[in-house]
Amino acid sequence: KAGVTQTPRYLIKTRGQQVTLSCSPISGHRSVSWYQQTPGQGLQFLFEYFSETQRNKGNFPGRFSGRQFSNSRSEMNVSTLELGDSALYLCASSSHRGHEQYFGPGTRLTVT
Amino acid sequence: SQQGEEDPQALSIQEGENATMNCSYKTSINNLQWYRQNSGRGLVHLILIRSNEREKHSGRLRVTLDTSKKSSSLLITASRAADTASYFCATDPVTGANSKLTFGKGITLSVRP
Repeated sequence: KAGVTQTPRYLIKTRGQQVTLSCSPISGHRSVSWYQQTPGQGLQFLFEYFSETQRNKGNFPGRFSGRQFSNSRSEMNVSTLELGDSALYLCASSSHRGHEQYFGPGTRLTVT
Repeated sequence: SQQGEEDPQALSIQEGENATMNCSYKTSINNLQWYRQNSGRGLVHLILIRSNEREKHSGRLRVTLDTSKKSSSLLITASRAADTASYFCATDPVTGANSKLTFGKGITLSVRP
């Protein structure tokens, strides 16, 4: 099986812009979770989608949003970028809630 | 707040030695998982231990779980330089259908050749 893929791998944006990140889960996995990882805050949960429905949401402002399509692919969007949004954004897929998660390589976002 | 708290935050050992990492958590869990992350990459699942299990092995990895103390340990035997990475514990809490897997802040392991 192909692993979790994330695009793009690297991204440089300017403050105030918006960005869309994409994640393709492992075939057959219906759960997709997103995380933000920074040196200071560690790994922080953004949201989880299951069968196109947001099942869980972390403590992030409304500028962070996501969606999942019928083929389980997921996107997350960050609007009005701030310097503090610079981070590694990780996507993970799972076959069921609570089961092991399979992570993609991440998207490294730099906001200047 | 983080459910899992790893200890120590950083560990440096010589190749061939054993590495022991600990994780404590606060609420009842369905399972506890350990992940590894090499610098700047995605996390890799290592092992999952269910709440009704006390010990599990996978290759050079040994995980124990003590639900009465709400703690787990990960032992890597005969460490190698390639084991240098960050290690995270993650807990699947028993709090309902919409609970989420929660990660700790991680332990940085350095294995010196």
